[in-house]
Amino acid sequence: AQKITQTQPGMFVQEKEAVTLDCTYDTSDPSYGLFWYKQPSSGEMIFLIYQGSYDQQNATEGRYSLNFQKARKSANLVISASQLGDSAMYFCAMMYRDNYGQNFVFGPGTRLSVLP
Amino acid sequence: DGGITQSPKYLFRKEGQNVTLSCEQNLNHDAMYWYRQDPGQGLRLIYYSQIVNDFQKGDIAEGYSVSREKKESFPLTVTSAQKNPTAFYLCASRTTGVRRTDTQYFGPGTRLTVL
Repeated sequence: AQKITQTQPGMFVQEKEAVTLDCTYDTSDPSYGLFWYKQPSSGEMIFLIYQGSYDQQNATEGRYSLNFQKARKSANLVISASQLGDSAMYFCAMMYRDNYGQNFVFGPGTRLSVLP
Repeated sequence: DGGITQSPKYLFRKEGQNVTLSCEQNLNHDAMYWYRQDPGQGLRLIYYSQIVNDFQKGDIAEGYSVSREKKESFPLTVTSAQKNPTAFYLCASRTTGVRRTDTQYFGPGTRLTVL
């Protein structure tokens, strides 16, 4: 069965510093996609970054980068130059194919607090 | 503007009542999803649909029902059989094309409280 693990319930980072949020996954499917979402206190889910299982290079989107280590089944999110607005919940998710179509499984999330 | 709308934003229900949460998208997406989120936790899949007039149960479908009569609409009914329905409900949609980079787009959510 597919599973996402995020072992850090909460993280603190000083403004302007970098922070790494951990994500490990479990799947026997060789084809999958990994996503990171940000959820501010308003509740909306904001897409941040995507990594495909066959992608050779780590994904980057502005201040966000994904440290993808396929053999270790980890897909850690790195946020550089943290800003106060980065304070939010962060969810790692995996897209996989089941008998019906493409489905998603989410991790429990990490609450990031950026300190001034 | 293209996007996903959910209504209402806040919903209060008395025990024993059925309620229906609306989800509409104008993104021309084939697939639609309903998730439940409890405080401090991740998203759990309730139902999903890949095409009109077809849908599948997710991990926590008991006490919920859906319909997919139109591509744009995927309403969720929370029935009286759902023992603990107080939660935040998120609807999402995505294309089912071959581009695996197509993420889910989420609505703003409905916060349901049972009184």
